[in-house]
Amino acid sequence: GNSVTQMEGPVTLSEEAFLTINCTYTATGYPSLFWYVQYPGEGLQLLLKATKADDKGSNKGFEATYRKETTSFHLEKGSVQVSDSAVYFCALSAPGGSNYKLTFGKGTLLTVNP
Amino acid sequence: NAGVTQTPKFQVLKTGQSMTLQCAQDMNHNSMYWYRQDPGMGLRLIYYSASEGTTDKGEVPNGYNVSRLNKREFSLRLESAAPSQTSVYFCASSERGGAGNQPQHFGDGTRLSIL
Repeated sequence: GNSVTQMEGPVTLSEEAFLTINCTYTATGYPSLFWYVQYPGEGLQLLLKATKADDKGSNKGFEATYRKETTSFHLEKGSVQVSDSAVYFCALSAPGGSNYKLTFGKGTLLTVNP
Repeated sequence: NAGVTQTPKFQVLKTGQSMTLQCAQDMNHNSMYWYRQDPGMGLRLIYYSASEGTTDKGEVPNGYNVSRLNKREFSLRLESAAPSQTSVYFCASSERGGAGNQPQHFGDGTRLSIL
C-alpha cells in the first residue's frame, strides 16, 4: 500500500536558520506530493505541491522537489522565522477506488526561537 | 470566504452517548472527507464521499457512520461513543481530481473528548 515517512520531531531552530524536513514515500504509479502546514488550533493548509517527477513546488520561501529516483520530497527553507512554528505534514495522493485519497505522514513539529 | 465549516468546535461526551459532527463547504467541491488526528499518528481517513450520493470507508471506519446530505454537507455520526474515539476530527473537501493533483481544504477541527 501507499505510505509516507517523514522525519520525527520535534525540530527546534533559531530564527534565520536553514530548515530541512525529510519525507520519503512508497506508492504504486505516479502520485502527486504535497506539504501541508498546521498552525496551533487550526486545520491543515496546503503549503505546496508537485505533481510529476522533477517538479519543484514553492510557496512562502519553502521549496520541495519531487525526486522519483529516491522517492523523496524533502521540505526546505533557507531562513526560518518565528511565524513558521507549526506542524508540517508530507502527503501523497494516489488512486484508490473511485477517488484519489491522501496518505499523510505523522507530522513534524517545528519550533523556531527568536 | 468560509471554506470548510465544522460544528461544534469542542464537545465532551460520556461513554455510550451519541452525537453527530457537522461539516459544510461552500466551494462547490464534489469530494468530502472525514479524518481523525491523534498524537504521533498523523491524520487517518475515517470515511470519504467521492461525490454526492456516494460514501466509502477509509482506514479507520469502525464505530462511525456518515451521511452525504447534499453536495455541501457531510456529517459524521458516533452511535455509541467510546474513550478510544477521543480525538480531533477534521473535515476536508476537494475537487474530484482526475489526476489526483487537487489539494484538499480543511476545516478547523472538532475537539472531542469521551469520558
